[in-house]
Amino acid sequence: DAGVTQSPTHLIKTRGQQVTLRCSPKSGHDTVSWYQQALGQGPQFIFQYYEEEERQRGNFPDRFSGHQFPNYSSELNVNALLLGDSALYLCASSGMGRAYEQYFGPGTRLTVT
Amino acid sequence: RKEVEQDPGPFNVPEGATVAFNCTYSNSASQSFFWYRQDCRKEPKLLMSVYSSGNEDGRFTAQLNRASQYISLLIRDSKLSDSATYLCVVSKSGGGADGLTFGKGTHLIIQP
Repeated sequence: DAGVTQSPTHLIKTRGQQVTLRCSPKSGHDTVSWYQQALGQGPQFIFQYYEEEERQRGNFPDRFSGHQFPNYSSELNVNALLLGDSALYLCASSGMGRAYEQYFGPGTRLTVT
Repeated sequence: RKEVEQDPGPFNVPEGATVAFNCTYSNSASQSFFWYRQDCRKEPKLLMSVYSSGNEDGRFTAQLNRASQYISLLIRDSKLSDSATYLCVVSKSGGGADGLTFGKGTHLIIQP
């Protein structure tokens, strides 16, 4: 049973560029949440997708957008990258009605130079 | 005031000792409470849920005090493998249709 997978594992981008990160949820899960974890901090909630729609959103600007596909996989897009966007981006999946029991992927480490 | 506050540590504890962490949360509407564990450069993993009645899982005991908005985690007979960062987590939604709010984490180092 494959867990949550994310790609790529590492990414280096330049300020002003755009980036797309990908996530495949754990088998049987239909809800995907994205988090940003800066060094030395706990993960911060970006948004959650369910039934291909954004269900909840944290305190992140519109530069952060996402998408969920019919197979429940998801993408996180960040436009106009800033140096402060450098972080570990974590995807978490959960099952119907149990979105509190989230299983995290290994993350994508994004460095913005 | 941060939504979830934890002492970042580090806590340096000898193997076999008992160690306790606490965290406080600011939103009285919070419904669900958890402890996650995160190893260095790895993803967070759910350690246990926390209930008002308290719950125990082997050497780990978690407690919730809703009146004081306070969550605790007790680790007995600590092992070297318990070294990690422990994240206190709350959710406003009971069913989970909401993101999780994480504390900064408490860093625990078990020394031989």
